[in-house]
Amino acid sequence: KAGVTQTPRYLIKTRGQQVTLSCSPISGHRSVSWYQQTPGQGLQFLFEYFSETQRNKGNFPGRFSGRQFSNSRSEMNVSTLELGDSALYLCASSNLGNTEAFFGQGTRLTVV
Amino acid sequence: QQQVKQSPQSLIVQKGGIPIINCAYENTAFDYFPWYQQFPGKGPALLIAIRPDVSEKKEGRFTISFNKSAKQFSLHIMDSQPGDSATYFCAASVSYKYIFGTGTRLKVLA
Repeated sequence: KAGVTQTPRYLIKTRGQQVTLSCSPISGHRSVSWYQQTPGQGLQFLFEYFSETQRNKGNFPGRFSGRQFSNSRSEMNVSTLELGDSALYLCASSNLGNTEAFFGQGTRLTVV
Repeated sequence: QQQVKQSPQSLIVQKGGIPIINCAYENTAFDYFPWYQQFPGKGPALLIAIRPDVSEKKEGRFTISFNKSAKQFSLHIMDSQPGDSATYFCAASVSYKYIFGTGTRLKVLA
């Protein structure tokens, strides 16, 4: 069974630009969550989707948004990038959202 | 109340030793407690998890001890190996999200 796939693996963007990250969950998993990992703040929850519906959202500004498609694939978008958005963005998939969650390798975003 | 406090921040043990990592929480609504292992450049990998109706769970060399009344849980790694050197995160789940501890950087000396 293939794991969680995140693309791209690395991204360099300029301040003010926007970026879209993609996540393909494990086959059969309907819940996809996104996390931001930084050395200073650790792993912080962004949002969770299940069957195309956002069920929970973390404390991030509205510049961070996401969506989920009917095939459970998810995208995360960050608009008007700031230097502080530089981080490893991780996607996790699970069957129902309250059971084992499996993470992808992440997308390393660098904002310059 | 949504925090999960993890200690120690770093840990060095000799090969064969039993490192113990502790986590504490306040929110009694948490209903699932996983541990993750992360190597540099990789995403966190699920090691073992427990629900609050169980006091202990073992999987291979990894054991979770759970104390519901004290709102604490811990990870024990038996017969630790240099390959176990990584960062370990505890987490607690509520409302379809995980709250992560701050991580413990473990180094196992050969």
